Amino acid sequence: EVQLVESGGGLVQPGRSLRLSCAVSGFTFDDYAMHWVRQAPGKGLEWVSSISWKSDSIAYADSVKGRFTISRDNAKNSLHLQMNSLRAEDTALYYCAKDLYPWFGESSLDSWGQGTLVTVSS
Amino acid sequence: QSVLTQPPSVSAAPGQKVTISCSGSNSNIGKNYVSWFQQLPGTAPKLLMYENNKRPSGIPDRFSGSKSGTSATLDITGLQTGDEADYYCGTWDIRLSGGVFGGGTKLTVL
Repeated sequence: EVQLVESGGGLVQPGRSLRLSCAVSGFTFDDYAMHWVRQAPGKGLEWVSSISWKSDSIAYADSVKGRFTISRDNAKNSLHLQMNSLRAEDTALYYCAKDLYPWFGESSLDSWGQGTLVTVSS
Repeated sequence: QSVLTQPPSVSAAPGQKVTISCSGSNSNIGKNYVSWFQQLPGTAPKLLMYENNKRPSGIPDRFSGSKSGTSATLDITGLQTGDEADYYCGTWDIRLSGGVFGGGTKLTVL
């Protein structure tokens, strides 16, 4: 069974940093691209970042470019999102999601975690 | 303001059919496959359709997708109360070099 479990969320002050992690099991992690998608309270889905199977292709939403860094550790079956210079508008439930393919660009996110909540507030 | 445009809500009676539209542009839907996601209340999104019209295993054939030009549609037939959820379309935008979602459509089964 495919499982994705996010962790690392919490309450953080504006301008501070947070590192999210996603532990995966039930599939060969290094065969697939991975994504982070967020959802602000009561709002829709917003794509955040994607990383290919070998980490040779990475993309970010303009809203987080330069502040967030996606990475993966294929040896440890884990995905990460380093979030710096956090803003109130980054407050959201952050989901990690698996792609159907080793590359991204088809938006075929076929498995999702339950999310970890990030609240940016003073 | 979402890059992809969906109606905020649709409704229909049990057993009926509903269509959810997703409108984009030549830099997204016009160039790439469309996926559809179902988000039941309080749960994570779930892939309903990928590559415009392919269903993942376990998704009933009451759900079907199509794409034409810069628009896509999700059809749900034989509506059930359990289908009440938010539905999102998604694709890749080559101009933005990133993923994009519609604003979501809330389906009510009356």
